[in-house]
Amino acid sequence: SQQGEEDPQALSIQEGENATMNCSYKTSINNLQWYRQNSGRGLVHLILIRSNEREKHSGRLRVTLDTSKKSSSLLITASRAADTASYFCATDDGRDDKIIFGKGTRLHILP
Amino acid sequence: DAGITQSPRHKVTETGTPVTLRCHQTENHRYMYWYRQDPGHGLRLIHYSYGVKDTDKGEVSDGYSVSRSKTEDFLLTLESATSSQTSVYFCAIQGGLAGGPNEQFFGPGTRLTVL
Repeated sequence: SQQGEEDPQALSIQEGENATMNCSYKTSINNLQWYRQNSGRGLVHLILIRSNEREKHSGRLRVTLDTSKKSSSLLITASRAADTASYFCATDDGRDDKIIFGKGTRLHILP
Repeated sequence: DAGITQSPRHKVTETGTPVTLRCHQTENHRYMYWYRQDPGHGLRLIHYSYGVKDTDKGEVSDGYSVSRSKTEDFLLTLESATSSQTSVYFCAIQGGLAGGPNEQFFGPGTRLTVL
């Protein structure tokens, strides 16, 4: 399937450090998205990057996309305790009506 | 979670009983989705709808049915609940709130336990 795979599965860093998580996928995409899920809550959309874009920023988030390697990375700079959450990448299947989620990276920010 | 509600938020039921979960949106969006989330599996699509009375199966549709008689409501039914359907169920809508393609917005989830 097209499902993206996040790496690492879990990540613990000190507050203030940068956190990087990666997503790999298998087939061509139109766009790739990143979502955050706080414990016990629904997913929240963070950022969407289109296949013709290489980098996108939103506040402390930086997303890159390398379509030749079929991979994306999410960088969170100057991490905060509130960034503790699971992060999911999601890819389309070439259509506009569905997206497929990976299994996520659990990020824990240590005080 | 603005614009999307799910009910009930928690439910405990017994094997073999029917269960219906409701998703309600106030955003008038065409696309609605039901996912289940389980440890080790991430989010998996159960069914989705692309309009009133228009639905399609997702990756894990066996044992589930859906209905959409109004734009704002998307119902997920477990005709005869099994313990394997113990999960957290999320409803999502697509598009419009931020305007981008494929962007989905999620409800708060329903935690279902089948004993």
